[in-house]
Amino acid sequence: QKEVEQNSGPLSVPEGAIASLNCTYSDRGSQSFFWYRQYSGKSPELIMFIYSNGDKEDGRFTAQLNKASQYVSLLIRDSQPSDSATYLCAVNGGTGFQKLVFGTGTRLLVSP
Amino acid sequence: DAGVTQSPTHLIKTRGQQVTLRCSPKSGHDTVSWYQQALGQGPQFIFQYYEEEERQRGNFPDRFSGHQFPNYSSELNVNALLLGDSALYLCASSLYSGAPSRTEAFFGQGTRLTVV
Repeated sequence: QKEVEQNSGPLSVPEGAIASLNCTYSDRGSQSFFWYRQYSGKSPELIMFIYSNGDKEDGRFTAQLNKASQYVSLLIRDSQPSDSATYLCAVNGGTGFQKLVFGTGTRLLVSP
Repeated sequence: DAGVTQSPTHLIKTRGQQVTLRCSPKSGHDTVSWYQQALGQGPQFIFQYYEEEERQRGNFPDRFSGHQFPNYSSELNVNALLLGDSALYLCASSLYSGAPSRTEAFFGQGTRLTVV
């Protein structure tokens, strides 16, 4: 079983819709969870992170965490074509120091 | 405020050669982590440096080594290059806080290494 699992997609949504990206993880001891956006050929860009159960909102982005179900998601409201990218879920697997364990990413396509 | 910078951006090497990649962390950051990202995969943790010492290491062979300098910049060295080492090498910098769950890591633009 992979440590961090994501559907590779592509997830296709029309402009203005809500995109929902999901991620599951295997280590119950994981404490924090990160979402990165990566455009083709570029490096990952941090969108937001969450460490408490529930929702965390930042602009058009909402991260949701359910530790009991070992599930984290990212909602993108009012999706724009510029949101088309690969979204990487990462889990902090380190103790003392941060060590990010990434999923393979979900490719999102937002059509005008 | 300069972000994380890496050099070079692209590199082509021959099998068996050695390569050195460089990273300057974001201003104010003191911790550098290196990741390898193969095409179509998520980044994989190689190792991390803090106070000039390797603090954590991922599942990579000893051919991968590194160093951190007093100014917090870092180098990644790979010896005896294999075709499978072709990947995007990413440097991430962060500020050590003792609370890894609250630490934000920011990536540089990466070095694209091609081994032929």
